[in-house]
Amino acid sequence: SQQGEEDPQALSIQEGENATMNCSYKTSINNLQWYRQNSGRGLVHLILIRSNEREKHSGRLRVTLDTSKKSSSLLITASRAADTASYFCATVLYNFNKFYFGSGTKLNVKP
Amino acid sequence: DSGVTQTPKHLITATGQRVTLRCSPRSGDLSVYWYQQSLDQGLQFLIQYYNGEERAKGNILERFSAQQFPDLHSELNLSSLELGDSALYFCASSEGQRIEKLFFGSGTQLSVL
Repeated sequence: SQQGEEDPQALSIQEGENATMNCSYKTSINNLQWYRQNSGRGLVHLILIRSNEREKHSGRLRVTLDTSKKSSSLLITASRAADTASYFCATVLYNFNKFYFGSGTKLNVKP
Repeated sequence: DSGVTQTPKHLITATGQRVTLRCSPRSGDLSVYWYQQSLDQGLQFLIQYYNGEERAKGNILERFSAQQFPDLHSELNLSSLELGDSALYFCASSEGQRIEKLFFGSGTQLSVL
């Protein structure tokens, strides 16, 4: 990908379990965002974390950011079948005005 | 519904042809971004426009061009199409020049036969 890599590429869990996805990136950033994509549909913004933040919560989502390791993680707690989708991290650097997406993690939540 | 409209939803054409994809951003959004999504390349940033001017360029081929019009809608022109251009093309918009959050359209699925 142009900037980030998600890990794992695919994840299959049972409903009710937690899902953790990781994102590593290559350069400095101003913010990092997570998006969700249902099959063949447009991406939907989930959460944004700025470079001076370490953790952020939104509902069942928890995002952490470690700028020293150039990595982020997305935790979805108490997963539901409806969470089945691909999840992408995106890094933003204002000076270069570019917005790069990682390769995505395909999450399958089994009912 | 994100408020970003892309047309057409599907496009089937032949190699060597030229097509135009259209995007209307959310009301009030001045920035438009184009992305290409294919199975082997992931989501690739192509180009960004802000209020009619090109602001950032990604891995956009010379055969591809884009523009943003005074009413802020944008068009992506793909010419001399090749089989490898088959992909899902997304348009996204954001409010300002500084990227905070993108709103995506539902995409145009291009099939080059």
